[in-house]
Order: sequence, then structure tokens, then C-alpha cells
Amino acid sequence: QKEVEQNSGPLSVPEGAIASLNCTYSDRGSQSFFWYRQYSGKSPELIMFIYSNGDKEDGRFTAQLNKASQYVSLLIRDSQPSDSATYLCAVNGGATNKLIFGTGTLLAVQP
Amino acid sequence: ETGVTQSPTHLIKTRGQQVTLRCSSQSGHNTVSWYQQALGQGPQFIFQYYREEENGRGNFPPRFSGLQFPNYSSELNVNALELDDSALYLCASSLAASGEETQYFGPGTRLLVL
Repeated sequence: QKEVEQNSGPLSVPEGAIASLNCTYSDRGSQSFFWYRQYSGKSPELIMFIYSNGDKEDGRFTAQLNKASQYVSLLIRDSQPSDSATYLCAVNGGATNKLIFGTGTLLAVQP
Repeated sequence: ETGVTQSPTHLIKTRGQQVTLRCSSQSGHNTVSWYQQALGQGPQFIFQYYREEENGRGNFPPRFSGLQFPNYSSELNVNALELDDSALYLCASSLAASGEETQYFGPGTRLLVL
């Protein structure tokens, strides 16, 4: 079983819609959860981090964490074509503070 | 811009050669982590350096080695290059023991091994 799983997509949404990106993880001891955005040919850029169960909002982005279900999600409201990218879910893996990444979900926002 | 810099941006090597990649961490950060990202995959943790010592290592062979300097910059060295080493190498800096150990990535070095 992969440690962090994401649907590879592509996830296609129309401009202005809500994009919902999902991620599950296997280590119940994980404490910190991150969403990175990666444009083609570029490096990952931090979008959100979340440590506690519930929702965390930042502008058009909302991260949701459910530790009991080992599930973290990212909602993007009013999606724009510039949001088209691969979204990487990452989980902090223990004392070394290493990040364990999923393979990423490709989001395509159609104008 | 994260303030994390990496050099070179691109590199072409042949199988069996050695390569050194460099990373300067964000101002105020004391920890550097290195990741390898193959095409179509998520980044894979190579190792982390904190206070000039290796602080954790992923599933990479010993020919992957590193250093951290007193100014917190870091090097990744790969010996005896193999074709599968072709990837984007990412450096991330963070501030250990801060309670918020968020990692910020540099632009990466794209390595092609022929």
C-alpha cells in the first residue's frame, strides 16, 4: 500500500467551478499535512498546510483534514485557468521531518 | 520566490560520472532536505541535513551523499551515475524545532544522464 495516495487525474473543471482534490495516507501517526502546486517544468510551491482536524481557509483555497479517516482534501473555489497544474499532497513522516508525497493530481481548468 | 536557490539549473552527464548539486537555504532556515522527482512522480526523500549532520535518509544507495556547511547551504553528490538518476533534484529548506517545519522548495536542478 502506498503511503500517500492521490488520484492522478486529470481532473477537469470549468472556469468558476469548485475543484476538489483528495488524498489519503496510511500512517496514523502523521501530524502535518501539506498541499503543493507544481506547474509543468517548475518546482513545487506551497499552497496550504494543516495540522488539526477540520477546515482551514486561505483565500480561494480550503484544506480539510480528517485524521480518523486518514483523509485530507483541498478545495479550490472559483477555479481559474491559472490554477491548472499538478497538486501534490504531502505528509510529514516522523522525527526527520521528511515529506512523503503522493504522485499528484493534474487539474485542468477549462475556460 | 522562496529564497531557496539551486545550481546549476540543468546538467547533462554520462553514465558512470559524478555530479555535485548545490543549494542555498532561505535566510534564517537551518535545515535542508533533498528530494528526487522522476517524471510523472511525486518527489522522493533522499536525505536531510540539520546542523551539518545527516538527519534522516530515504531509500537511496550510498552513492548519494551530501554535506551541509556552517552557513546552512548544502551539496548533494551522486557518484557512478546511472541512467535512472535522470530526474529533477529538489532542495527544500526549513527551520527545525520552530513548531512550523514547513519546507520551501528551490527551483530544482534537472539532471539528464546519457
